[in-house]
Amino acid sequence: KAGVTQTPRYLIKTRGQQVTLSCSPISGHRSVSWYQQTPGQGLQFLFEYFSETQRNKGNFPGRFSGRQFSNSRSEMNVSTLELGDSALYLCASSLVGTGGEKLFFGSGTQLSVL
Amino acid sequence: GQQLNQSPQSMFIQEGEDVSMNCTSSSIFNTWLWYKQDPGEGPVLLIALYKAGELTSNGRLTAQFGITRKDSFLNISASIPSDVGIYFCAVPQETSGSRLTFGEGTQLTVNP
Repeated sequence: KAGVTQTPRYLIKTRGQQVTLSCSPISGHRSVSWYQQTPGQGLQFLFEYFSETQRNKGNFPGRFSGRQFSNSRSEMNVSTLELGDSALYLCASSLVGTGGEKLFFGSGTQLSVL
Repeated sequence: GQQLNQSPQSMFIQEGEDVSMNCTSSSIFNTWLWYKQDPGEGPVLLIALYKAGELTSNGRLTAQFGITRKDSFLNISASIPSDVGIYFCAVPQETSGSRLTFGEGTQLTVNP
């Protein structure tokens, strides 16, 4: 069974640009969540999608958005990039995303904003 | 909001030594999770704890769900070089298992 796949692995952008990251969950998993990891703030929850609907959202500005497609694949978008958006963005999938369920993480997309 | 205090921040040990790390919180939780992150990879779930006082093992790893439900401990016995990585504790938001709050992490270095 293939794991969670994130593309691209590395991305370099400049301030003001926008970026789209992609995540393919484990087959059969319907919940996809996104996390931002930085040395200063650690791992922080961005949002979660289930059945193409955003079900939960973390404390990030509106520049961060996402969506989920009917095949459960998900994308996240960051508009008007800032230097502080440089981070490892991790996607995680689970069957239905209920309490205590196991999350499986992808290898992440390392975003550098110059 | 929820905050987990994880310690130590880093550990430098010799191969073969045992390791202990812990997480504490001022809030009560019903689930404690321990993850390991290798360089350049996403976190991988090591152990999940669902009951206060529970002691669960996974090979050389043993984790405990504190009896107060406000803390958890992870022990690694007879460490080996591949144990190197960052270890995180995490707790799920009760209404969404996908929304995890993570501790700051413990960076483990094992010298052969």
